[in-house]
Amino acid sequence: NAGVTQTPKFQVLKTGQSMTLQCAQDMNHNSMYWYRQDPGMGLRLIYYSASEGTTDKGEVPNGYNVSRLNKREFSLRLESAAPSQTSVYFCASSDWDEQYFGPGTRLTVT
Amino acid sequence: AQSVTQPDIHITVSEGASLELRCNYSYGATPYLFWYVQSPGQGLQLLLKYFSGDTLVQGIKGFEAEFKRSQSSFNLRKPSVHWSDAAEYFCAVGKGRGSTLGRLYFGRGTQLTVWP
Repeated sequence: NAGVTQTPKFQVLKTGQSMTLQCAQDMNHNSMYWYRQDPGMGLRLIYYSASEGTTDKGEVPNGYNVSRLNKREFSLRLESAAPSQTSVYFCASSDWDEQYFGPGTRLTVT
Repeated sequence: AQSVTQPDIHITVSEGASLELRCNYSYGATPYLFWYVQSPGQGLQLLLKYFSGDTLVQGIKGFEAEFKRSQSSFNLRKPSVHWSDAAEYFCAVGKGRGSTLGRLYFGRGTQLTVWP
């Protein structure tokens, strides 16, 4: 039981490049989330998926797209990376009363 | 709108001293409250959670938190801090439980430094 896994752990992009952050959970949870963490800002919600086949915007969705590929997987795509997207990205899934977080992806956009 | 305030950005305590981290929330209905800890370079680990019932909640690693509805607070405490408690601590509020917990609203975090 791996919990929530994320790939890659680290990534450096140039401005304008695209990439997809991958997230998977093996806990059979319906809901999954993408947060970004910036110094002094806590965690802010980018997108979430309440169930397979549905996605909704969070607080800071601009510049991102998501895909809920199946119940296990929820990916986050940056179509044209910008320096403002330099951050640590966390994926999470939730059951009835707890959110479980992945280890994070540290992304730097130069 | 839901929000969480952690008034202290950085706290320094000596090892063995007591600790209290403050958290105030704003939420119209019954709040579901959480404390998470994040060690450097790591993900978030749940320390404890409050949904209902006894307002004093026990968590892992010797932490406890007390829910005070009249003060809209959910402060985290530990009687005697260990050097390994140095980390960043986040308070969060959830909307409700329904069929699933739903998204969390996080405070900005409190960085804890422990002096030997």
